[in-house]
Amino acid sequence: ELKVEQNPLFLSMQEGKNYTIYCNYSTTSDRLYWYRQDPGKSLESLFVLLSNGAVKQEGRLMASLDTKARLSTLHITAAVHDLSATYFCAVDKPNQGGSEKLVFGKGTKLTVNP
Amino acid sequence: EPEVTQTPSHQVTQMGQEVILRCVPISNHLYFYWYRQILGQKVEFLVSFYNNEISEKSEIFDDQFSVERPDGSNFTLKIRSTKLEDSAMYFCAVTLWDYNTDTQYFGPGTRLTVL
Repeated sequence: ELKVEQNPLFLSMQEGKNYTIYCNYSTTSDRLYWYRQDPGKSLESLFVLLSNGAVKQEGRLMASLDTKARLSTLHITAAVHDLSATYFCAVDKPNQGGSEKLVFGKGTKLTVNP
Repeated sequence: EPEVTQTPSHQVTQMGQEVILRCVPISNHLYFYWYRQILGQKVEFLVSFYNNEISEKSEIFDDQFSVERPDGSNFTLKIRSTKLEDSAMYFCAVTLWDYNTDTQYFGPGTRLTVL
């Protein structure tokens, strides 16, 4: 069974600081996704990581993937209040039919304090 | 991002009643999915749907659940006899085929409250 674990589950940080969220998964997978969710809202796609060593950056967020270690990181640089949200990583589990069910981690609730 | 709308945004129902949640994709999508998120918890896969057939379903998706795409546009999730534990946010997701990536785009969700 594919399992996805994130840590930390809660993160409170000061504006301007850096921090990393970790995502471990248990079995081989083709893709790793990062989503952002604001309270009461839907999931917004941030990154899709497709291969070992993949690194993607958007603004103050940078995601990387190490498929050998089955580990992805989401690094936050110089945090600002607007980044406060819950961040989910998800790993796909393709089936023979071609669809890909996503298995999500529990999410990391990030609070950036002024 | 491709747009996906869901109706209703909030549904309140009595235990044992049937509910139908609707997903309206804007573009011509390939795969459709339903996920649910119980308040404060992680997102859980329910079912995937392709070419008018269920592709995969989870243990959560028991006989009380069904999906269909009756008019070739709307994608519906029906819960026949709702239970208290069905209270959750239900998200429709769609996939656009792209040779480089296969991102699932999520709709705004329907909050289902079972009393």
